[in-house]
Parts: sequence; C-alpha cells; structure tokens
Amino acid sequence: QQQVKQSPQSLIVQKGGISIINCAYENTAFDYFPWYQQFPGKGPALLIAIRPDVSEKKEGRFTISFNKSAKQFSLHIMDSQPGDSATYFCAASMGSSYKLIFGSGTRLLVRP
Amino acid sequence: ETGVTQTPRHLVMGMTNKKSLKCEQHLGHNAMYWYKQSAKKPLELMFVYNFKEQTENNSVPSRFSPECPNSSHLFLHLHTLQPEDSALYLCASSQGTSGAPDTQYFGPGTRLTVL
Repeated sequence: QQQVKQSPQSLIVQKGGISIINCAYENTAFDYFPWYQQFPGKGPALLIAIRPDVSEKKEGRFTISFNKSAKQFSLHIMDSQPGDSATYFCAASMGSSYKLIFGSGTRLLVRP
Repeated sequence: ETGVTQTPRHLVMGMTNKKSLKCEQHLGHNAMYWYKQSAKKPLELMFVYNFKEQTENNSVPSRFSPECPNSSHLFLHLHTLQPEDSALYLCASSQGTSGAPDTQYFGPGTRLTVL
C-alpha cells in the first residue's frame, strides 16, 4: 500500500523526442506527487510536482499527467535534450507527512 | 556555502571501524533527513528530525546512529557495518511545515563502501 511503482527502469530517446515515465500507487491517501531529477554525483532535485485536484501540470518542457481514478501519474519530457539525461524518481506523500515514498527510478539517456 | 553539504563525499571502511557522516544545511530549514540509496532500489528513508527531535526511525539497524545537535547539522554515526550497507547516503532538509507539501532539498551524498 505504501509502494510507488515506476517504469520503465531505463529509457533511451533520441534528441527532440518525447520521454515518458510512468508511476502507479495504491494508497488513495496520497495527495502530493513530486518528480525528482538526479544527475550523476548529485543528490535528487525537485523537478515538478502535482496535487490530485488537477489532471495536468506543465512547466516548460516538463508535464505531469495525473489520472486519479487509475491511480497513475506520468512525466512527459517534450523535445528531450542530451542535458536531460539523468535518473528520474517519482514520489508520493500524504497530508502533512514529511515522508516521501519514492519510486525505484528511471535512468534516461537522450542520444544526440 | 549554499544548500545542503555532505562530508565526506567518499568513505571506505572496514566492518570493525567507526566513522561518522556529516550533513550541514544552509537553508534555514527545520527538518532534516537521512536516506539510503542502493542500486536499482527506491530511496529508503532512514531517519527524520524536525526541530532537532527525531520523528521517524524507519526500522534502521542500531549500527546506524543519528545525531542532530541543531537544526543545521545532522550526523550519521556508523559502527560494525556490513558489506550490504555499502550505498550512497543522502541527507536532505526541508522547511518542516506541517499541513503542506514540503519540498526536500538533497545534498550530493556520501558514497560508502564497507569492506
């Protein structure tokens, strides 16, 4: 119930293509869904986040799509660039909890 | 220095050694966290401190001992570790605001190898 399942484990996309990473959860009490981006040698950094009262949030080339009934959310990276090559983690938390439940991560490689 | 810093960045230790990891945040935050990041596994929350008080211990073995002397500093004391404890240990901090999503800011991590 506390798990967040993330797929795929790795993804290779050509420059200019769309990268899509999916996450699914079971606990309907989750109400905050952030995505973190991690470059080699660095800690994860918040990329974009969504609350379940909206179905989509866009920030530049990054979009979160949220499907509350399916208990799924996804990250779309439009016009993917080699600089986007990193590991992406979805996460979820509930209410006032400080506790983030992370997915297992997706290693994205964008080929030039 | 800005953000969240961690020292050392790399550590190799034997199973009988005692060592400590240090984390410092320069963001004025009230909550601090230790995570363990192993290959192909989700980030595992280990400990949470809020206003210097430990609020979460995620069933972490006693060979890991956290210490939070003030809101800016967090330590992880290590003793008699096992090879399976080899991982990247990440520190994070956040505002610690209750009732609202709380963005966590991560340090670069300490890569620990236990021989």
